[in-house]
Amino acid sequence: GEDVEQSLFLSVREGDSSVINCTYTDSSSTYLYWYKQEPGAGLQLLTYIFSNMDMKQDQRLTVLLNKKDKHLSLRIADTQTGDSAIYFCAERSGGSYIPTFGRGTSLIVHP
Amino acid sequence: KAGVTQTPRYLIKTRGQQVTLSCSPISGHRSVSWYQQTPGQGLQFLFEYFSETQRNKGNFPGRFSGRQFSNSRSEMNVSTLELGDSALYLCASSPSLGADEKLFFGSGTQLSVL
Repeated sequence: GEDVEQSLFLSVREGDSSVINCTYTDSSSTYLYWYKQEPGAGLQLLTYIFSNMDMKQDQRLTVLLNKKDKHLSLRIADTQTGDSAIYFCAERSGGSYIPTFGRGTSLIVHP
Repeated sequence: KAGVTQTPRYLIKTRGQQVTLSCSPISGHRSVSWYQQTPGQGLQFLFEYFSETQRNKGNFPGRFSGRQFSNSRSEMNVSTLELGDSALYLCASSPSLGADEKLFFGSGTQLSVL
């Protein structure tokens, strides 16, 4: 079946930029999402990008999509301790209502 | 608007028992999905309901079942619990079906099977 891959951990220093990467296999993916999960909570939609876009910026968040390489990234500028969480990449193809999630990247922000 | 509400927040059961989890979607949302989250497998899709009908089902055994009521509230049931069913069960709602619909998640029910 279709797959979404993410690295499991990322450690950054407070104030630096974080870049979380994701690759997917479904070439018909139309929507790609980033969700954030804080401890003891459900997933919160951070941002999403439609497959005909290359980039989307929303305050400190920048999403880059390389459709040719099926690579999605989330850049968090000026990373804060409150950004420590698990970040999930997900993709949804036009033919399916069901998103496929990656296993999540644990972002650890240290002083 | 209230968010997605899941009850109970925590559950402890023993092997062989059954359990029922509840999910109240955001008001006006008609689609409810369920996911199982474990450290080893990540998020696995269980099923999706819309207008009281199961529209999609993931690759889980028949011990996992669900239903949706006319007010869009949903329940999922797991019978004959196994140790491997220990997980965080997440419910998500969206206004309708469609690839452009965004999912809104509840905080989940943490199920521990002893």
